[in-house]
Amino acid sequence: AQSVTQLDSHVSVSEGTPVLLRCNYSSSYSPSLFWYVQHPNKGLQLLLKYTSAATLVKGINGFEAEFKKSETSFHLTKPSAHMSDAAEYFCVVSVGNTPLVFGKGTRLSVIA
Amino acid sequence: EAGVAQSPRYKIIEKRQSVAFWCNPISGHATLYWYQQILGQGPKLLIQFQNNGVVDDSQLPKDRFSAERLKGVDSTLKIQPAKLEDSAVYLCASSLSSSGANVLTFGAGSRLTVL
Repeated sequence: AQSVTQLDSHVSVSEGTPVLLRCNYSSSYSPSLFWYVQHPNKGLQLLLKYTSAATLVKGINGFEAEFKKSETSFHLTKPSAHMSDAAEYFCVVSVGNTPLVFGKGTRLSVIA
Repeated sequence: EAGVAQSPRYKIIEKRQSVAFWCNPISGHATLYWYQQILGQGPKLLIQFQNNGVVDDSQLPKDRFSAERLKGVDSTLKIQPAKLEDSAVYLCASSLSSSGANVLTFGAGSRLTVL
């Protein structure tokens, strides 16, 4: 069965500095990988997805993630954090038609 | 396009009472999902429908939880009787099909507090 591990439960950065949210996955087959963001009292929103095309995936709001098969990683990055980026971020894996499996989430705090 | 609608947004009940949540997916989306998100955890799939049929309900506590999507459009999730550990946000999502590569669109969720 597939799984994801988000390596940090909480990340705190200063506004204008880079963001790195780490995710490792486990899957016996080629996975689809996603990052979703959840702002307080709002629904989950897709940031980006990887489905075996380009390994560097660009998403909304300046976020991107790189699929590294050799490291089984799919880390999320952004060059410069904004206050509005403060939220909970989930790394998600799926194989074939199996249900999405969510990580436990990483809470991103942005300090002014 | 309209998003995934859920109601109620908030519900507080005593243990052993019952509660029902409603979800209306995006028009044309064949697949509908109910997830349970306990505080501090990622969402966990409870049940997945393809049109009006159940695709996966392996993690649904069937002794107390039930869900239906009778006409293949909107859906209801019921809990009876509720336990303290059912306190969570119940998220509804929909997608065009059940392919794992499909993007899910989530509703804002229904927050349940069981006292």
